Amino acid sequence: SQELEQSPQSLIVQEGKNLTINCTSSKTLYGLYWYKQKYGEGLIFLMMLQKGGEEKSHEKITAKLDEKKQQSSLHITASQPSHAGIYLCGADYFSGTYKYIFGTGTRLKVLA
Amino acid sequence: SAVISQKPSRDICQRGTSLTIQCQVDSQVTMMFWYRQQPGQSLTLIATANQGSEATYESGFVIDKFPISRPNLTFSTLTVSNMSPEDSSIYLCSVGSGQETQYFGPGTRLLVL
Repeated sequence: SQELEQSPQSLIVQEGKNLTINCTSSKTLYGLYWYKQKYGEGLIFLMMLQKGGEEKSHEKITAKLDEKKQQSSLHITASQPSHAGIYLCGADYFSGTYKYIFGTGTRLKVLA
Repeated sequence: SAVISQKPSRDICQRGTSLTIQCQVDSQVTMMFWYRQQPGQSLTLIATANQGSEATYESGFVIDKFPISRPNLTFSTLTVSNMSPEDSSIYLCSVGSGQETQYFGPGTRLLVL
């Protein structure tokens, strides 16, 4: 089973609308990372969250990590076509050894 | 989807030596990417390797330190040259094309003493 679940799998929004992408784990995470992938390019690092309850913002993108460090949300305010791409969460956790896993990805399309 | 294998899965190396990491994909892919994840940090793109052309390196990474080969559409190598303890990291290769999500290899865990 997928260890890091992302929802929704895909999202189409009108320009200017807000949206939220979720990333959920069944395990307590050591660190949670959000990346963006533009079509045909490598991953771009967006944010890293490590403390329970932590929230970070960059321009119009805000990411939060819950207190239990098992769920994170990525919120985009007033979306723009430049926000389109695939958003991927990644996380590392310790289970005998450190392990790095990725979510399933969310495809975002923003209509102008 | 793509199945990716990496060799070695882990290694402990001495300062000043070099290590070559291999990445094998079970299907032909145009674009392959090499990433590094240092302890407690995010995944960082090192370079993009397309078959038939020179690899494209991201800011902060140079070919002399991380030479890459891409001899065909299913294989690539990344060499970490003249290693120092700061190179201790997990190195991952991944593939992706068009509008597909990237697929990642299992990673190579490197410790430099």
